[in-house]
Amino acid sequence: DAGVTQSPTHLIKTRGQQVTLRCSPKSGHDTVSWYQQALGQGPQFIFQYYEEEERQRGNFPDRFSGHQFPNYSSELNVNALLLGDSALYLCASSPGLYSGELFFGEGSRLTVL
Amino acid sequence: GQQVMQIPQYQHVQEGEDFTTYCNSSTTLSNIQWYKQRPGGHPVFLIQLVKSGEVKKQKRLTFQFGEAKKNSSLHITATQTTDVGTYFCVRQTGANNLFFGTGTRLTVIP
Repeated sequence: DAGVTQSPTHLIKTRGQQVTLRCSPKSGHDTVSWYQQALGQGPQFIFQYYEEEERQRGNFPDRFSGHQFPNYSSELNVNALLLGDSALYLCASSPGLYSGELFFGEGSRLTVL
Repeated sequence: GQQVMQIPQYQHVQEGEDFTTYCNSSTTLSNIQWYKQRPGGHPVFLIQLVKSGEVKKQKRLTFQFGEAKKNSSLHITATQTTDVGTYFCVRQTGANNLFFGTGTRLTVIP
């Protein structure tokens, strides 16, 4: 039973570029959330997807957008990258909106130069 | 705000010593979760506490939820090198929307 998988694991971009990160949830999970974790900080909630719709959103600008596909996988897109977007981006899945426990992937480490 | 504060921010202990991290919120919490993140790893769910005054144990780990549901603690007895990592208390709002605390980074000296 595969857990949450994310790709790519590492990537380097320059300011102004765009990036797409991908996530496949744990088998049987239909809800995906994205978190940003800056170095030395706790994860910060970006948004959550359920039934292919954004259900909740944290305090992140519109440059951050996402999508959920019919197979429950998800993408996180960030436009017009800033240096401050450098972080570990974590995807978490759960079996439903109110299950409590989240299962996290290993993350995608984004460096913006 | 919505953040939960944790103390201490860092803790270095000798292997075999006990360790405790405390979590405080200015508002009443519906529940509190604890996650552990190893260096270079991802957060892993440890436990969820829901009831006022609740105490749960997992081997050497003891979790408590305050009577007023505004604070929580995690106590590790006789730390081991495998306990190294950052421990986060996490506030849940609405539908699986988690707000992570500031975390306590534990270092265990062999």
